Amino acid sequence: SQTIHQWPATLVQPVGSPLSLECTVEGTSNPNLYWYRQAAGRGLQLLFYSVGIGQISSEVPQNLSASRPQDRQFILSSKKLLLSDSGFYLCAWSAGISYEQYFGPGTRLTVT
Amino acid sequence: QKEVEQDPGPLSVPEGAIVSLNCTYSNSAFQYFMWYRQYSRKGPELLMYTYSSGNKEDGRFTAQVDKSSKYISLFIRDSQPSDSATYLCAMKKPGSARQLTFGSGTQLTVLP
Repeated sequence: SQTIHQWPATLVQPVGSPLSLECTVEGTSNPNLYWYRQAAGRGLQLLFYSVGIGQISSEVPQNLSASRPQDRQFILSSKKLLLSDSGFYLCAWSAGISYEQYFGPGTRLTVT
Repeated sequence: QKEVEQDPGPLSVPEGAIVSLNCTYSNSAFQYFMWYRQYSRKGPELLMYTYSSGNKEDGRFTAQVDKSSKYISLFIRDSQPSDSATYLCAMKKPGSARQLTFGSGTQLTVLP
């Protein structure tokens, strides 16, 4: 069966510090991968998605970036965090042509 | 106007009640519909998905799609305290790659 991991689970970072969140998927090959942010009481905002290694599409202009160095690894980064970057970051995957997405446990980021 | 509207609640019901959760959408191009359950501080979990109008049943859960009215529903029969969570609808339109459009979620509490 497929499993998706995210780490760390929680993170508290000062403004201006760098960020690296990691997501890995097990049990499938060539998944589509997604990064979302969920602000309190709001829906899910798609940040990035990837259909293959090195292929990243950005949905929202911001100071975040994403990379996919391996087939089942997706990384969300920032060089300098802003207060507005606080939120719950979710990684998700989908298989092939399927539209159903499966989410990881999330990372709660607080920028202070 | 948001493409997908979902009443945020909160909704409180007694154990054993039938729960009806709803989403409306404005774009008739949406064709694929999903419901997610999200427990507090966890990632969303896919409950059901459907690609067509009508009803789809899975245990205590029934997903209903009315494309003519641009309205989808999730019914929970014999609700349990363990059903207490936020429920998110999601949908996809052709031509949007693998992107889903999410409702903002309805917070449900089932009281014992």
